Amino acid sequence: GENVEQHPSTLSVQEGDSAVIKCTYSDSASNYFPWYKQELGKRPQLIIDIRSNVGEKKDQRIAVTLNKTAKHFSLHITETQPEDSAVYFCAAILIQGAQKLVFGQGTRLTINP
Amino acid sequence: DGGITQSPKYLFRKEGQNVTLSCEQNLNHDAMYWYRQDPGQGLRLIYYSQIVNDFQKGDIAEGYSVSREKKESFPLTVTSAQKNPTAFYLCASSTFGQGAYNEQFFGPGTRLTVL
Repeated sequence: GENVEQHPSTLSVQEGDSAVIKCTYSDSASNYFPWYKQELGKRPQLIIDIRSNVGEKKDQRIAVTLNKTAKHFSLHITETQPEDSAVYFCAAILIQGAQKLVFGQGTRLTINP
Repeated sequence: DGGITQSPKYLFRKEGQNVTLSCEQNLNHDAMYWYRQDPGQGLRLIYYSQIVNDFQKGDIAEGYSVSREKKESFPLTVTSAQKNPTAFYLCASSTFGQGAYNEQFFGPGTRLTVL
């Protein structure tokens, strides 16, 4: 089955700097990669996603890149702000059949003022 | 944030007792999911259901049971057979269709503590 590894487990950056979170997946059949953000005490929410036929996707200050050959994908946050502090989860899924999401272990991002 | 509710928010249980966590959604979603969240381990799938009266085991189903008698409801029972039940439990729901990602929307979670 699919296995997703996420690094780092914790990340601390100065406000205004960039943050990068990396994930690797094992099943080459996975074809969709969502990222969820979970603020303290709140539920996870989808913030950006990418399909396997796309190399990069941007949405304002966040972007996701995908290297299908290496089975790597990354979340990039630029010009970080205090409200970016949260736990971020990457996930992988095959969007045929049962659509079972497999999550990475999570990254706790702290933005220092 | 509305649409999926979980109750209770906090739950305490004595060892050896079964306990049922509630999950209700009014989004008319076909699929529902239960995840367990532990520190440093992300979210792991316990059970999922794509239609009423049918459900499938996820990656960590041992010690848990579910039912799906109504489209809106997907209760999870944590049985005494679950060796380490203390965790944060998240319910999610989504539409169900092929060829596109059916975004999973999460409930607020239930924190279960076994005393």
